Amino acid sequence: GIQVEQSPPDLILQEGANSTLRCNFSDSVNNLQWFHQNPWGQLINLFYIPSGTKQNGRLSATTVATERYSLLYISSSQTTDSGVYFCALGGYNKLIFGAGTRLAVHP
Amino acid sequence: DAGVIQSPRHEVTEMGQEVTLRCKPISGHDYLFWYRQTMMRGLELLIYFNNNVPIDDSGMPEDRFSAKMPNASFSTLKIQPSEPRDSAVYFCASSSGAASYNSPLHFGNGTRLTVT
Repeated sequence: GIQVEQSPPDLILQEGANSTLRCNFSDSVNNLQWFHQNPWGQLINLFYIPSGTKQNGRLSATTVATERYSLLYISSSQTTDSGVYFCALGGYNKLIFGAGTRLAVHP
Repeated sequence: DAGVIQSPRHEVTEMGQEVTLRCKPISGHDYLFWYRQTMMRGLELLIYFNNNVPIDDSGMPEDRFSAKMPNASFSTLKIQPSEPRDSAVYFCASSSGAASYNSPLHFGNGTRLTVT
């Protein structure tokens, strides 16, 4: 099956810092999404990005499908960015989630 | 839109009891998914439906688990009998259309199940 590896597993930032989260995957996919799970447990869809680059405010994501990786950029981090970031990918409908990157942003 | 609605938010039950989790997907979404999240195993897909029909239930852990979708606006996940190792957060999610056509997955707030 598809293997998903996220790095780093944990990240601590000071407010205002930038960061890059990485997702490596083992097979070609046509569905890749990034999610944020906030400290209250809610899972929020950030990006649907099987290829190319998208931006939404301070967040942006790039997927290079041919090289089987995706990056999530967080600029000018805020304490509200804390939580776990998941990369999820797979075939048309069956998304497999990575283990996540746990981010803590300190004021 | 109210988003994906799950109930109850929390469920505490004793081992051996039947547990029923409920989900209302976003109106118009034709795919519905049940996931389970634990510290040890992360987020696991249990089963998903398309147009109310179960498509892939390979993630259902054992026969004690069953899921139904009697109509487009309602699904249940039932555990009978429940065991302590079933304790987890159960998420329902929905999406519209084939996932290859820009169909992001939307999650409910989850049901935290504790089996004592």
